[in-house]
Amino acid sequence: QQQVKQSPQSLIVQKGGISIINCAYENTAFDYFPWYQQFPGKGPALLIAIRPDVSEKKEGRFTISFNKSAKQFSLHIMDSQPGDSATYFCAARAPGTYKYIFGTGTRLKVLA
Amino acid sequence: NAGVTQTPKFRILKIGQSMTLQCTQDMNHNYMYWYRQDPGMGLKLIYYSVGAGITDKGEVPNGYNVSRSTTEDFPLRLELAAPSQTSVYFCASSYPREFGNEQFFGPGTRLTVL
Repeated sequence: QQQVKQSPQSLIVQKGGISIINCAYENTAFDYFPWYQQFPGKGPALLIAIRPDVSEKKEGRFTISFNKSAKQFSLHIMDSQPGDSATYFCAARAPGTYKYIFGTGTRLKVLA
Repeated sequence: NAGVTQTPKFRILKIGQSMTLQCTQDMNHNYMYWYRQDPGMGLKLIYYSVGAGITDKGEVPNGYNVSRSTTEDFPLRLELAAPSQTSVYFCASSYPREFGNEQFFGPGTRLTVL
C-alpha cells in the first residue's frame, strides 16, 4: 500500500514530441505528489509538484495531470528537447509526515 | 549557499570495513534524509531526522546508523560493510511546509563494497 508504481521504465521520444510518464498509487492518504528530474552523476532536483485537490498543474512545458479517483498521476513534457534527457521520478508523501515514497524512475532519451 | 554537500564522492570498501558518509546543509533545514539508489529501484529511504537529536528509520535501515547532533550535519554510518550495500547514497534536506516542502539533494556518494 506504500508503493508508487511508475511506468515506463525507459522512453525514447523524438525532439518536439510529447513525453508521458505515469505513476499509480494505492494509499489514498498520500497528500503531495512531486516529480523529480535527475541528470547523470547528479542528485535529483524538484521539477514540479501537485496537491491532491488539483487535477492539473502546468509549469512551462511540464504538466502534471492528477486523477484522484483512479489513483494515478502523470507527467507530460511538451515539445520535448534533447536537454530533457534525464531520469524522472514520481513521488508521494506519506500522510502526517515529510517522508516520500519514490517510484522506480523513467529514463527519458530525447533524440535530436 | 553551497546547499547540500556530501563527502566522499566515491569510495571502495572491503567486506566488513566501516565508514561514515558525511552530509552537511547550509539552508537551516529541519528535516534531513538519507536515501540509497539502486538501478531500477528508485530511491529508498534509509533514515531521516526532523531536527537535532531526533532520528527515525526509513524503509531500509538495516546495516546503517545515523546521528544528528547539529542542524547542519547528518552523517550515515556503515558498521560492517556488505556487498548488498553497494549503491549510490544521497542525502537531502527540506523545510517542513504543508505544500512545497521541496527536498534538496546532494550530489551523491558512490559506494562499492568488494
